[in-house]
Amino acid sequence: GAGVSQSPSNKVTEKGKDVELRCDPISGHTALYWYRQSLGQGLEFLIYFQGNSAPDKSGLPSDRFSAERTGGSVSTLTIQRTQQEDSAVYLCASSKRTGTGNSGANVLTFGAGSRLTVL
Amino acid sequence: KQEVTQIPAALSVPEGENLVLNCSFTDSAIYNLQWFRQDPGKGLTSLLLIQSSQREQTSGRLNASLDKSSGRSTLYIAASQPGDSATYLCAVLPNLFYNQGGKLIFGQGTELSVKP
Repeated sequence: GAGVSQSPSNKVTEKGKDVELRCDPISGHTALYWYRQSLGQGLEFLIYFQGNSAPDKSGLPSDRFSAERTGGSVSTLTIQRTQQEDSAVYLCASSKRTGTGNSGANVLTFGAGSRLTVL
Repeated sequence: KQEVTQIPAALSVPEGENLVLNCSFTDSAIYNLQWFRQDPGKGLTSLLLIQSSQREQTSGRLNASLDKSSGRSTLYIAASQPGDSATYLCAVLPNLFYNQGGKLIFGQGTELSVKP
């Protein structure tokens, strides 16, 4: 697609429910990132996928959070047994590749985000 | 641990003013620094990327500088317009993650309002 697409744009759920957030990156982008933006805080890195390599899960805050990327394209972020502190905007970004150099290939394109509210 | 701070948190200026947004980081071992713009309900848009070996980058009315040794970057906006109203985020890529170009560490942003 022309940009990074995320769905749903807004999700309200009850504490304890599971939620799935979807990210459809730009076609051909091999790197995909999930970030979380909580009220009053900066963006927080969650997880990173690069091609067929094992994902870097170092930013996931707890084992209630997981993500997968199927076929090297669409990614789903799953939050199990949601808590009120999970309320945030979840942003997905993709880039052509990761690596060094001054080329624009490393510049991230962000989606509009999924706003999650846990009641 | 790398920390990125942006001051002020919010700024309101009249149209036409030149302004400077500040970003500071605690660890100078960075690979690059980026400035992003975030509009309400929209994703982030990359404005300027400065590699660690560079001192500044320019795009139109925007100029970003980097002083790695002092841990500072500034974003200069010339002749501000109401359309510049948005939140501006600064992010650094630590050297440790040089080959993982998206593992950025973000500041909390400066919310800019340009009044007509």
